[in-house]
Amino acid sequence: SQTIHQWPATLVQPVGSPLSLECTVEGTSNPNLYWYRQAAGRGLQLLFYSVGIGQISSEVPQNLSASRPQDRQFILSSKKLLLSDSGFYLCASDRGTDSPLHFGNGTRLTVT
Amino acid sequence: AQKVTQAQTEISVVEKEDVTLDCVYETRDTTYYLFWYKQPPSGELVFLIRRNSFDEQNEISGRYSWNFQKSTSSFNFTITASQVVDSAVYFCALSVHTGSARQLTFGSGTQLTVLP
Repeated sequence: SQTIHQWPATLVQPVGSPLSLECTVEGTSNPNLYWYRQAAGRGLQLLFYSVGIGQISSEVPQNLSASRPQDRQFILSSKKLLLSDSGFYLCASDRGTDSPLHFGNGTRLTVT
Repeated sequence: AQKVTQAQTEISVVEKEDVTLDCVYETRDTTYYLFWYKQPPSGELVFLIRRNSFDEQNEISGRYSWNFQKSTSSFNFTITASQVVDSAVYFCALSVHTGSARQLTFGSGTQLTVLP
């Protein structure tokens, strides 16, 4: 079964600083990869998804970006963090629409 | 557009009580999948069940059971003989096919607290 690794687990960054969150997937090849954000209040918001290397679809316009340099690596970045970027970021993976979506353990980001 | 409504924001029960978490969904697609996820305090989202729109059979897995009714667009989740370890936020989600990647719409979650 697939395993999703996310790091770091927690991160405190000042406003205006850059961000790089990494997600790697084991146990599967050519997965679909996703970045979700969970703000206070629990709602899960899809930020980006990728169906292959270099293919990124953005769901919500914002100052975040995503990249997929390798098949099982998905990176979430920002050049300058905003206070509103604080939240719980979850990476997820599946093998297609007929398979369950599995999540990593998440990164809790606090922008101060 | 898809929508998932979990009207119960918070539920508290005493251990060993049964509890049902409600989920109502909206979609115009005829092919879709419904999911339940559990999010314990540690934060990770744990997959519990997936059901496709053509399978209305109810499912039971240990103390968990799910009641899918297309007529009322509901996919309710029941925990029998609840335990303290069941305390978590539970999310219902809906996905429809959009090419090869999923568009998963989550409900706002229900915080379940099981008291000893």
